[in-house]
Amino acid sequence: NAGVTQTPKFQVLKTGQSMTLQCAQDMNHNSMYWYRQDPGMGLRLIYYSASEGTTDKGEVPNGYNVSRLNKREFSLRLESAAPSQTSVYFCASSEVHIMGLFFGSGTQLSVL
Amino acid sequence: AQTVTQSQPEMSVQEAETVTLSCTYDTSESDYYLFWYKQPPSRQMILVIRQEAYKQQNATENRFSVNFQKAAKSFSLKISDSQLGDAAMYFCAYRRRNNNDMRFGAGTRLTVKP
Repeated sequence: NAGVTQTPKFQVLKTGQSMTLQCAQDMNHNSMYWYRQDPGMGLRLIYYSASEGTTDKGEVPNGYNVSRLNKREFSLRLESAAPSQTSVYFCASSEVHIMGLFFGSGTQLSVL
Repeated sequence: AQTVTQSQPEMSVQEAETVTLSCTYDTSESDYYLFWYKQPPSRQMILVIRQEAYKQQNATENRFSVNFQKAAKSFSLKISDSQLGDAAMYFCAYRRRNNNDMRFGAGTRLTVKP
């Protein structure tokens, strides 16, 4: 049982380059999320998708776009990467709120 | 907006001893969930324990237990009989019922000394 799978695990970009982080879950969850983790700041919500076909902004959405491709997949796109987007990115999914979030293994992104 | 505060950036404990990690949160809601997540060096986020606000009984999972003080908006994690494998970052998190935005604290780095 794979759970939540993120690709890639590591990525280095130059300022201005674009890229898409991929996420897929096999738990049939309706809700999916993208968080970023920065030292001393915990995890902050970028975007979420409560169900297939819907997306909403979180706490730090600027500079990002998302696509909920189907129930399984939720991608995060950086159109023009900036050094401030250097971070660890986590995808997560959930179904019942009390169960909390199930996380992927994260993507370490460096923007030079 | 709801905020979560972890006032201890770093903690250390001797193997087999007990340690308590602190967490406070700010909310005007009465129905919500609280969580503790563990992040070992592997970077994987692992759910340790969860608490429903309307339940007065403190949650317990093996060596992990919480002290939930709703009026004080406090949610501390106690780790008993600490093991080397408990060394990790620990994050406290808050989530309002029927809301998709889970808020995290800044984390506490726990070191376990042999």
